[in-house]
Amino acid sequence: EPEVTQTPSHQVTQMGQEVILRCVPISNHLYFYWYRQILGQKVEFLVSFYNNEISEKSEIFDDQFSVERPDGSNFTLKIRSTKLEDSAMYFCASRPGGNSNQPQHFGDGTRLSIL
Amino acid sequence: DAKTTQPNSMESNEEEPVHLPCNHSTISGTDYIHWYRQLPSQGPEYVIHGLTSNVNNRMASLAIAEDRKSSTLILHRATLRDAAVYYCILRDGGTYKYIFGTGTRLKVLA
Repeated sequence: EPEVTQTPSHQVTQMGQEVILRCVPISNHLYFYWYRQILGQKVEFLVSFYNNEISEKSEIFDDQFSVERPDGSNFTLKIRSTKLEDSAMYFCASRPGGNSNQPQHFGDGTRLSIL
Repeated sequence: DAKTTQPNSMESNEEEPVHLPCNHSTISGTDYIHWYRQLPSQGPEYVIHGLTSNVNNRMASLAIAEDRKSSTLILHRATLRDAAVYYCILRDGGTYKYIFGTGTRLKVLA
């Protein structure tokens, strides 16, 4: 069964550095998402992306965050200048086009640790 | 905020059925009810979704109340591998994002 893959599984970065988290969504999917989960807390929506544009973003997704689909297969989340509070699991998700109630499929996440 | 309410935790014996309840009293007419689960150290995994009538798939069944203000996820025979946090989610209004609550942590006893 096709799946969403995320790399790396664990990223350790110094505070203030830039980090790029990578995702390969399921190949025929058209809608892409990033969520994050701080340890012991809820899964929180960050951003949704469709047709090469951000369709929605949360308050968490400030100017330090950006997303890109550089080559038609990868979907990336960049954090420009990381802060300690960015430490979390980051999950990528994708879903097909058509009925908007089609379920989202999640990857297993990247654990981001900011030192 | 999440529009669903679930018990924080439940326990079940292995090989027995489990009924996981969810209240969603503010559900709108077009909201589908989605269920996901999250196993330790993994991303949320789709389980099932429905609108009005009961739904079955290979993983579970979803029973939806006639007034749609509550639903129940049914695992017919719990296994140790079903131990996870189960989330009942309504898609947020007219957008496409999921708003996760705190879910129900299911413990399966051998």
